[in-house]
Formats: sequence, structure tokens, C-alpha cells
Amino acid sequence: DAGITQSPRHKVTETGTPVTLRCHQTENHRYMYWYRQDPGHGLRLIHYSYGVKDTDKGEVSDGYSVSRSKTEDFLLTLESATSSQTSVYFCAISRDDRVNTEAFFGQGTRLTVV
Amino acid sequence: GESVGLHLPTLSVQEGDNSIINCAYSNSASDYFIWYKQESGKGPQFIIDIRSNMDKRQGQRVTVLLNKTVKHLSLQIAATQPGDSAVYFCAEKTQAAGNKLTFGGGTRVLVKP
Repeated sequence: DAGITQSPRHKVTETGTPVTLRCHQTENHRYMYWYRQDPGHGLRLIHYSYGVKDTDKGEVSDGYSVSRSKTEDFLLTLESATSSQTSVYFCAISRDDRVNTEAFFGQGTRLTVV
Repeated sequence: GESVGLHLPTLSVQEGDNSIINCAYSNSASDYFIWYKQESGKGPQFIIDIRSNMDKRQGQRVTVLLNKTVKHLSLQIAATQPGDSAVYFCAEKTQAAGNKLTFGGGTRVLVKP
């Protein structure tokens, strides 16, 4: 795997609690992404980052916030977790390269909101 | 690794036959179209991409075709092998939007021995 680590790998949390997922990379890639994957929906973009402190919303950003204070870390926060946010979350990274489009994915985090 | 039980369209193909996976896209401003493969319990892996100003690109055992007129993308896998069994996703990258990378619906490929 490319140097990308997601933590935690599994989490069970209660409705209404805040949750933060961490994506850490050792590749010094500029671009980082957070997706959620649910049955029947494939991968849906939550937020992405094109540099330190530069982030933008994806297709399903409601209820989520992100922060990127340094190149290697991209944090995804569920401000007040709901059962609809039970999902598998994937982080991805890609280079600042107009030729190479490859994105590398982490192993995923399974989040269950009860 | 993680995976989800996806309710996806399924393509069953005999080992050794060719597979064709199709995808419709929506954003005409996308700069690249990309195919990813996701095996059970893992994150997606890059297969091949095609720039928006091309209509065909070949890799090792794979060919991607782009038809911008009808906004259609396809992935052809030659001589499909058991290791090709996975879920395949198409994706679009838009450089003007900060390299926004969005995925389309997936297709499950099952290779029969």
C-alpha cells in the first residue's frame, strides 16, 4: 500500500456524539479525499483537499467537516453522528501531477452509529 | 480491510473470455476518466485512465474507450482471469475544481472457471 493510514479502523459510537476519523500519509501528496461507501451507492465524495487549509465540499458533505492543518493529515469530523452516517469511510491521496491521475486509497474505516 | 455488500449490477464472464464494463458520466468538464478495481476487503486500486481529448487508451490486457458524444466510458478486459473478479468503478477528475475526483456506480465482475 502507498503510505496512507486510516485510524481508527473500526468504531462504534452513539447517536449525537462527535467522531473524528484520521487519514495520515507519508507520500507528501497534495490532494486528499474522504469518501463513504454504502450498499448501492458506490463511493461518494464527502470532502476533499487540494492543499494545506484548502478544502472543498463533495456530493454528501452535510453533517461532516474536515481540516487539513498539515500536508500529511486530513481529518474528517462527524459533528453529531447519526445512524445514516453508519458506513465505510475511505481516504485517498493523489499527487500534484497533471499527467498522473492515480489516487491511492486507505484500507477504510468501518463506522457504526447506534 | 473493509468492504461493503454492494447491490451492484453483475457481469458474469467465463474465464478466458473478454469482459466489457460500461459507465455513463455526466460532467463534460472532466479532464480525466479513470477506472478503479475494488477487491473484497480492500480500497479501490487504479487500473487505467484516459484524458478527455482521447478516445482510446490501451494498457496491459485492458482498453478504455471514451465516447464524449454520448458521455460513455467502457473498460475492456482481455482474456479475463479469476483474479479479475472484483467491483469496477469509473471515476472523473476535474482539474479546474481542485482535482475533484468523483466516482460513478460500480459493476461487479464474477469470473467463472
